[in-house]
Amino acid sequence: AQTVTQSQPEMSVQEAETVTLSCTYDTSESDYYLFWYKQPPSRQMILVIRQEAYKQQNATENRFSVNFQKAAKSFSLKISDSQLGDAAMYFCAYRLEYGNKLVFGAGTILRVKS
Amino acid sequence: GAVVSQHPSWVICKSGTSVKIECRSLDFQATTMFWYRQFPKQSLMLMATSNEGSKATYEQGVEKDKFLINHASLTLSTLTVTSAHPEDSSFYICSASGGFNEKLFFGSGTQLSVL
Repeated sequence: AQTVTQSQPEMSVQEAETVTLSCTYDTSESDYYLFWYKQPPSRQMILVIRQEAYKQQNATENRFSVNFQKAAKSFSLKISDSQLGDAAMYFCAYRLEYGNKLVFGAGTILRVKS
Repeated sequence: GAVVSQHPSWVICKSGTSVKIECRSLDFQATTMFWYRQFPKQSLMLMATSNEGSKATYEQGVEKDKFLINHASLTLSTLTVTSAHPEDSSFYICSASGGFNEKLFFGSGTQLSVL
């Protein structure tokens, strides 16, 4: 079974600084998808970034980028120029293929200090 | 982007009553819907997967007679918590998969409080 591990229960970052959230996963598959979701206090799940495992290039979305290391089964999220609105719970997730379920990590609470 | 509407946003009920939660895909056909449960400051736990027109597939440990899931159309899935008890109090989130590239979209969640 696939598992996703987030080893940082909480992280803090100063506004305008950069922070990296860690995620590792376990799978025997070669084709899959990885995601980072943000859950703010409203509890609405918001997709931050998506990575297809067959793509070697790391995904980037504005201030958000990932470091995808397929051999190491590592998928970290880097948030640059952190803003107060980035404060939320962040979940790393794995999906075998479209139409299949998401497997979530335990989550990391990110606090942004002004 | 696609929108998934979940209703109600919150519900308070007495122990022993049943509660129905609706999840609608507003602008795409959701071939698959997923129901999650989330306790405070914890991750989302998948309860069941439902495909339109077929019986839901429940995760291990989830009581199918307790949590009834119906996916009767390509735009609507319902979760009914039958004979709710205080331990069923939780945040329930649906997600729908379908449309172009089979992307996944989340509803806004339902907070259930059983007194």
